[in-house]
Amino acid sequence: QVQLQESGPGLVKASETLSLTCTVSGGSIRSYYWSWIRQPPGKGLEWIGYIYDSGSTNYNPSLKSRVTISVDTPKNQFSLKLSSVTAADTAVYYCARGSSSGWYRGDYWGQGTLVTVSS
Amino acid sequence: QSVLTQPPSVSGAPGQRVTISCTGSSSNIGAGYDVNWYQQLPGTAPKLLIYGNSNRPSGVPDRFSGSKSGTSGSLAITGLQAEDEADYYCQSYDSSLSGYVFGTGTKVTAL
Repeated sequence: QVQLQESGPGLVKASETLSLTCTVSGGSIRSYYWSWIRQPPGKGLEWIGYIYDSGSTNYNPSLKSRVTISVDTPKNQFSLKLSSVTAADTAVYYCARGSSSGWYRGDYWGQGTLVTVSS
Repeated sequence: QSVLTQPPSVSGAPGQRVTISCTGSSSNIGAGYDVNWYQQLPGTAPKLLIYGNSNRPSGVPDRFSGSKSGTSGSLAITGLQAEDEADYYCQSYDSSLSGYVFGTGTKVTAL
């Protein structure tokens, strides 16, 4: 059974960079698309971007200037960096697996990690 | 602001049938992109409920069904149960945004 686990600081100062890692267990990170998705408290879901094991990426245009997603296949991990954060970036951040031909949908999700941006 | 619109809430008595709509446009659902549905129980991560418009992953009860027509998708729960109380989100791809989009979300309540 594939499992995903997000990790990283729960508190980030405004204007700094948010950094999270998603560790995949029970399966290989190779040959799949992997996404980051976030959910502000009490609000809906927002797709941040995806990466393939080759390193190719696609980002949400509204966040593209601040987002970097990278992959570390030997460690079976992929990571998110979001720069110049503000209070609007406070959210639960999820990682999710897609398919082998495109992300399309999240069939496995991590439990999520709350990141609070403080002033 | 999401490009996929859902009703904020729907409710029904246990055993009843409820439906949730997901209204998009010609750049997403109407362009032929699939609609997927997720169930999010309180305090938990979303769970894939329906994929490819009408397919259920293994383990999802058959009281959940999905359909798509034109620029909209729809999720039906037939025989609503108390355990179905949750938030439900649709999701698709938008060619204008060149990315994936989620619906606004619907809270389902069993009366």
